[in-house]
Amino acid sequence: AQSVSQHNHHVILSEAASLELGCNYSYGGTVNLFWYVQYPGQHLQLLLKYFSGDPLVKGIKGFEAEFIKSKFSFNLRKPSVQWSDTAEYFCAVNVNKAAGNKLTFGGGTRVLVKP
Amino acid sequence: DTGVSQNPRHKITKRGQNVTFRCDPISEHNRLYWYRQTLGQGPEFLTYFQNEAQLEKSRLLSDRFSAERPKGSFSTLEIQRTEQGDSAMYLCASSPGLAISDTQYFGPGTRLTVL
Repeated sequence: AQSVSQHNHHVILSEAASLELGCNYSYGGTVNLFWYVQYPGQHLQLLLKYFSGDPLVKGIKGFEAEFIKSKFSFNLRKPSVQWSDTAEYFCAVNVNKAAGNKLTFGGGTRVLVKP
Repeated sequence: DTGVSQNPRHKITKRGQNVTFRCDPISEHNRLYWYRQTLGQGPEFLTYFQNEAQLEKSRLLSDRFSAERPKGSFSTLEIQRTEQGDSAMYLCASSPGLAISDTQYFGPGTRLTVL
């Protein structure tokens, strides 16, 4: 079965700092990769996803992620964070097979951006 | 708002009682998923439906849990004889079900507290 690990449970940084959140998955086959965000008091929302093509994926709100197949990684980045980026971020994977595409999530990273 | 809706948003119950949650997916979405999220963890897959057919169930879904999706529209998740370990956020998501790379759209969740 596939699994997802997120290296940092909590990240604290100041506005305008750069953000990088690590995500590694374990599965040898073809996968689709996702980053979801949960702002305080809100539901999970998709930031970006990768399923094929250019391994550098751009999402909403200035976020991007790079799929490195050889490292089984899909790290999330933002060059300059804002206070409004305070949220919990979840990496997720689904296995590229015909029967079902349930998501397997990492444990999440809580990001606090200090104004 | 035409997103995924869940009711109730909060449920407090005593151990041993039965509870039922409802999820209304985005209109015309064929796939509907249930996940459970405990404090400090990412969501964990419970089960999913393709239209009215329940196609996969996680081993997390004990015999006390049952889910239905009559007529392929809304879904209910029932927990019988609740235990304190059932306390969690129960999330519903839906997707068009047309492609493996489909985005899953999440509802706000139902927070269950078992006393």
